[in-house]
Order: sequence, then structure tokens, then C-alpha cells
Amino acid sequence: GAGVSQSPSNKVTEKGKDVELRCDPISGHTALYWYRQSLGQGLEFLIYFQGNSAPDKSGLPSDRFSAERTGGSVSTLTIQRTQQEDSAVYLCASSPSGEGDRYGYTFGSGTRLTVV
Amino acid sequence: QKEVEQDPGPLSVPEGAIVSLNCTYSNSAFQYFMWYRQYSRKGPELLMYTYSSGNKEDGRFTAQVDKSSKYISLFIRDSQPSDSATYLCAMTGRDDKIIFGKGTRLHILP
Repeated sequence: GAGVSQSPSNKVTEKGKDVELRCDPISGHTALYWYRQSLGQGLEFLIYFQGNSAPDKSGLPSDRFSAERTGGSVSTLTIQRTQQEDSAVYLCASSPSGEGDRYGYTFGSGTRLTVV
Repeated sequence: QKEVEQDPGPLSVPEGAIVSLNCTYSNSAFQYFMWYRQYSRKGPELLMYTYSSGNKEDGRFTAQVDKSSKYISLFIRDSQPSDSATYLCAMTGRDDKIIFGKGTRLHILP
């Protein structure tokens, strides 16, 4: 596609429910990143995919968070048993080769998650 | 000490003024420096990137890097109301993991 597409754009869920957030990167981009952006906290790195592999999961805040990527394309971030502190904007980005230093990332518009 | 420090603002300036946005960092391994602009309810978009110390100019925007002081700046000349956004500095070293500042909210007053 022309850009990074994320769905849904907004999600309101009850505490304790599971949610799935989807990211469709730019076609041909091998690297995919998930970030979380909370008010006043900046961008918090969650996980990085190179192809279907996740060489860096160091940012996932707890074992309630997981992500997968299939076919080197679409990625899904799953949050189980959501808590109110999970409320944030979840941003996905992709880059051509993972060499983010040279190319920078292209971000989607994010999914705004609200846990009530 | 956080790896990247950036004043969150908000910073309000009149239209036409020169804007100066800054970040400091602590990791001397950082080699590549970027500025992203983020409009409300949108994802960040890459504005400029630089590698070496010195200045890089693109239209009304100038990115400046001083590696000896671990200090980077973004200057916006002839600021416009459409420049109102959050500006995030970002940087990376050999591991390719980009570290972002918290962002500075900028308001250009017409």
C-alpha cells in the first residue's frame, strides 16, 4: 500500500478483555516496529520484526503483550487481560531494510486504545 | 539519566519568528540523528536526518548536530501556523534501534 495502515483507529475495551491491533506495512518493507505513545511519555519501543522474526522483543512491558508477523507483511499486536495502564496510542512503523539509521521509519496513524 | 532529553514545551511563538528546538543525549555511540513532526492524531513523519556534526538545510528547516556537546537542534525560519505540531528528535547508533525524545509541542500564533 501507499503507507502504513493500522486498524482499528480507535478501540475502547473493558478492563480484562483481550484486544488485537493490526498493522499493514508498506509493501516490500522488511522491518516493522511497534511503539506505544502515552501522554507525556514519548514513544516507547515495544518490538521489532525483521521479516517474520522478532530479534528484539525487549520493550514488551509484560507477558500480557505479544506480537506476530506473518508472510513478512501484516503484524498483529495482542494485549491480553487489558489493564487501564495499557491505554495509549499504539503506533506501527516500517522501514525498507531495518537500517533505520539511514532511512528513518514510516509510521501509521496509530490505534488509540482506551481501557475502561 | 535518560538517553535523550527533550523539553516537552509547549512552545508558543508568533508567526514569522525563528523557532529553535533542541535535544541533548548521553550515548556517544549515537551516529544518526533525525527530526520527526507529528500532527494531532497522526503518526510521526520524518522531517530531516543527518549523520555528521554540522548543519543541514532543507527549505525553511535547518538541522544542527554538535557531537562534541551531544546536542542537536532544529531551526524553523519564517514559521507558519501549519508548523504547529509536536517535534520529536530521534537518534540511533550501530544497533539500528531508534531512540526518540518525548517531543516538544510547538504552537505558531497567527
